[in-house]
Amino acid sequence: DVKVTQSSRYLVKRTGEKVFLECVQDMDHENMFWYRQDPGLGLRLIYFSYDVKMKEKGDIPEGYSVSREKKERFSLILESASTNQTSMYLCASSPPDRLTDTQYFGPGTRLTVL
Amino acid sequence: EDQVTQSPEALRLQEGESSSLNCSYTVSGLRGLFWYRQDPGKGPEFLFTLYSAGEEKEKERLKATLTKKESFLHITAPKPEDSATYLCAVQDFGNEKLTFGTGTRLTIIP
Repeated sequence: DVKVTQSSRYLVKRTGEKVFLECVQDMDHENMFWYRQDPGLGLRLIYFSYDVKMKEKGDIPEGYSVSREKKERFSLILESASTNQTSMYLCASSPPDRLTDTQYFGPGTRLTVL
Repeated sequence: EDQVTQSPEALRLQEGESSSLNCSYTVSGLRGLFWYRQDPGKGPEFLFTLYSAGEEKEKERLKATLTKKESFLHITAPKPEDSATYLCAVQDFGNEKLTFGTGTRLTIIP
């Protein structure tokens, strides 16, 4: 079974703090993704990575950065947290596939910024 | 730009009452259409991938079908444990990204 884990289920931070969200997958997947999910807006892609040390901006990268130093680990960084970054954050990974790339999700981190 | 619209937003059914959820999509070239189930406070759980019009896939009480413009998730004789939000997503050729719909929240009443 594919397993994607995220470092925290719930996190509360103060405005201006630097926040690290960690994601680890155990299936040697090439691609990894960070999304945020908000009511009425669905899942929106923040960043993704298709290889170690590689990263690509998604649809809403502003205010975020990422790091991928090892294949199995993909970190999302909020340099200076703001209240509008309160959200559910979801990490996903996918294997390279000849036809398509099914993404498998972690359990999510509910981040609250006060 | 890829677009995905799911309907209805919410659906309440009696246990055993079959129905269908709709996912309409617009892509320049469909590489894959995905269905996920999401329970409250949890990450989406993969259900199906459909690749081409006419394809169907089944899992227990769920069956997903695909046409050139939409996909249906048919649920037959649902049980309360089928209550969840069902998400649809599409992937375009030459693109690793998925575009998600906002989901259908399904409630099955015992």
